[in-house]
Amino acid sequence: AQSVAQPEDQVNVAEGNPLTVKCTYSVSGNPYLFWYVQYPNRGLQFLLKYITGDNLVKGSYGFEAEFNKSQTSFHLKKPSALVSDSALYFCAVRDKYQSNDMRFGAGTRLTVKP
Amino acid sequence: GAVVSQHPSWVICKSGTSVKIECRSLDFQATTMFWYRQFPKQSLMLMATSNEGSKATYEQGVEKDKFLINHASLTLSTLTVTSAHPEDSSFYICSARDPPGDRGRNEQFFGPGTRLTVL
Repeated sequence: AQSVAQPEDQVNVAEGNPLTVKCTYSVSGNPYLFWYVQYPNRGLQFLLKYITGDNLVKGSYGFEAEFNKSQTSFHLKKPSALVSDSALYFCAVRDKYQSNDMRFGAGTRLTVKP
Repeated sequence: GAVVSQHPSWVICKSGTSVKIECRSLDFQATTMFWYRQFPKQSLMLMATSNEGSKATYEQGVEKDKFLINHASLTLSTLTVTSAHPEDSSFYICSARDPPGDRGRNEQFFGPGTRLTVL
């Protein structure tokens, strides 16, 4: 079964600095990888996904993520953080060849300070 | 884009009552819908997967008689929390997958969530 690990519960960065939210995954086949953001009392909003192709994926709100097969990682990045980026971020993985849902990481709370 | 709605967005009920939460795919047909539960500051935990017209598949540890799921049409799934108790208080999120192929991308879209508080 697939699984995702987000090793950091909390990430703090200053506004304007680059941010990285880490994610590693485990799947038996080729992975579908996703990043979602959640604001308080809201559902998940899609940021970006990796299916195949270029390892660097660009998504919404200036976020991007790099798929690294050898390190089984899919870290989320943004060159310049905004205070409004403060939220809960979830990495998720789905096995491409199975008809099932996604498995989510535990989430990382990003706080961007002015 | 694909939109999933949930109703109600929040509900407060007395212990022992039943609560129904609706999940609708507004602009696509969802052959598969998922129900998640999220505790404060925690990740989403899958409760069950439902396919239109068939019984839901529940994850281990989820009581199917307590959390009744009905996926009666391609655009509607309902979750009924029966005889709710305070420990059932949580944030419930549904998700719908659009079909693969020319008319869909086999992607999963999430509803805004329903906050249930059982007194």
